[in-house]
Amino acid sequence: GDSVTQMEGPVTLSEEAFLTINCTYTATGYPSLFWYVQYPGEGLQLLLKATKADDKGSNKGFEATYRKETTSFHLEKGSVQVSDSAVYFCALKSGQAGTALIFGKGTTLSVSS
Amino acid sequence: EADIYQTPRYLVIGTGKKITLECSQTMGHDKMYWYQQDPGMELHLIHYSYGVNSTEKGDLSSESTVSRIRTEHFPLTLESARPSHTSQYLCASRRAEGETQYFGPGTRLLVL
Repeated sequence: GDSVTQMEGPVTLSEEAFLTINCTYTATGYPSLFWYVQYPGEGLQLLLKATKADDKGSNKGFEATYRKETTSFHLEKGSVQVSDSAVYFCALKSGQAGTALIFGKGTTLSVSS
Repeated sequence: EADIYQTPRYLVIGTGKKITLECSQTMGHDKMYWYQQDPGMELHLIHYSYGVNSTEKGDLSSESTVSRIRTEHFPLTLESARPSHTSQYLCASRRAEGETQYFGPGTRLLVL
């Protein structure tokens, strides 16, 4: 079945460091791909998404490119801030109608000043 | 800003009690979901609904039940709470295929 694999955390960085969180997927057809972020004590918020191959999603300085050839959707940010500390989830929505989002296990990011 | 609400936000309850976790959304979304989030932060789909009078079990077996009598509400009930039910429960909704799934703030449940 469809699945998402993302790098295990925690990821610990200093402020202004470069961030990459790897995400790869297995899916039939042409899924849509998402990154969600969960700040402490809150629910998940959509960070960015891409619906077809070679699309680049971007938001708040974060970017991810839908790479069909490598089945990847890695999250990147050039300069992280302390306020970016959160749990990041990669997710896919199968092309099949009616299916729910499938999430990776989440990667905890901790940024120190 | 997503208009999806969950109550209570935190609940501490004794074993054997019946509890209902409320979820409501004011966006007119047909599709609604319940996820259980374990301490390692992994999300597990436990129930979903595609509209009024539609409910289905998710990937993770759960002793909870849900109902969908109105589009706006998707409550989750535990008839007899146990310590193994201690977790965070997240509700989500989506209008249609290909659209963003919005999450509520979650209910953190502790069963003693």
